[in-house]
Amino acid sequence: AQSVTQLDSQVPVFEEAPVELRCNYSSSVSVYLFWYVQYPNQGLQLLLKYLSGSTLVKGINGFEAEFNKSQTSFHLRKPSVHISDTAEYFCAVSASSNTGKLIFGQGTTLQVKP
Amino acid sequence: DAMVIQNPRYQVTQFGKPVTLSCSQTLNHNVMYWYQQKSSQAPKLLFHYYDKDFNNEADTPDNFQSRRPNTSFCFLDIRSPGLGDAAMYLCATRGLAGPPYDEQFFGPGTRLTVL
Repeated sequence: AQSVTQLDSQVPVFEEAPVELRCNYSSSVSVYLFWYVQYPNQGLQLLLKYLSGSTLVKGINGFEAEFNKSQTSFHLRKPSVHISDTAEYFCAVSASSNTGKLIFGQGTTLQVKP
Repeated sequence: DAMVIQNPRYQVTQFGKPVTLSCSQTLNHNVMYWYQQKSSQAPKLLFHYYDKDFNNEADTPDNFQSRRPNTSFCFLDIRSPGLGDAAMYLCATRGLAGPPYDEQFFGPGTRLTVL
């Protein structure tokens, strides 16, 4: 079985500062990793995904994440955040099977302050 | 634009009164998912359709049912809503042209309140 742990429930940060949202996963099989963003009262939007290949993945809105197999981590980073980045961020894992089922972490609330 | 649409966006029902949530998609995707997301929690998969094949998660209560009359539409029926069923319900789709880990496209969700 797979599981995902997001280590911080809330991350406050000032505008234009860098940010890192941490995600660790556990799985006995190969996995694919995702970061989704959810704005208030909206659905989830894919930020980026790691499938294979380069461990540094670039996504939309200036976000990037690095897959670290030895540490079973997939941390999300942005060098300079904006007020508009305030949202809930979910890390998710999908096992290498045909169902495409996503297992989500508990979410991290990013609060960008002016 | 191709998209996933959920209606209504907000639904209020009474304890024990059946309610149906709707999801439609213009993406022509084969797979459709229903997730339940309670306040400040992660989305939790209830079930999914792989074309017409229904796949229920082991821990989804019998109170939750689903129908998919055609590729475009999928419904979530809650037969006797309890207070604990108040949540955001998210519909998502995935195409089969790509691999199983391909992106899921989410609708905006329906927020269900149970009085």
